[in-house]
Amino acid sequence: GAVVSQHPSWVICKSGTSVKIECRSLDFQATTMFWYRQFPKQSLMLMATSNEGSKATYEQGVEKDKFLINHASLTLSTLTVTSAHPEDSSFYICSATRGGTEAFFGQGTRLTVV
Amino acid sequence: LAKTTQPISMDSYEGQEVNITCSHNNIATNDYITWYQQFPSQGPRFIIQGYKTKVTNEVASLFIPADRKSSTLSLPRVSLSDTAVYYCLVAGERGYSTLTFGKGTMLLVSP
Repeated sequence: GAVVSQHPSWVICKSGTSVKIECRSLDFQATTMFWYRQFPKQSLMLMATSNEGSKATYEQGVEKDKFLINHASLTLSTLTVTSAHPEDSSFYICSATRGGTEAFFGQGTRLTVV
Repeated sequence: LAKTTQPISMDSYEGQEVNITCSHNNIATNDYITWYQQFPSQGPRFIIQGYKTKVTNEVASLFIPADRKSSTLSLPRVSLSDTAVYYCLVAGERGYSTLTFGKGTMLLVSP
């Protein structure tokens, strides 16, 4: 099946710094990728939709200036958490669709802000 | 988007068949039903997808009644490694840009 890869799998950063998370579709072109956040024992919450070559669409309540999304190519989307704070600590997951109705998910990135 | 309702948790034993039912009363004509499995600290993994009647693959079966207002994921002969959270999602092809996850069902398989 199609593969979506995230990097890094986990990251620890100091409060106030920025962290970039990469999401790559390894064997297909993804014009649209999606970013989710998941807190412990909770479900996935859609943060934003990343569109290649255009601005991302953010869900209500998600700060676009804090969570910068760039989708510069058909195989790569990045999420940058700017000026991270402990409350941003979470599990971030990306997904992509290869047309059709099936979404493929990355393995997730565990962000811990200390 | 059709909202889904699943049991919060289920318990089973190794070797048993497990059926998880999802309610989606407001499913639209062009909506598909997809089930995902998620282990702790991993991204969701696709299990099965269907539109109507029955779909079977190497890991599960999906039963969808004629009115499509619910669906049942059937896992035959579960093992300890099937302990995970299972999500039922409903969305049309264009609606996959806004996949909305419900709370999911935490399946615990015991020896």
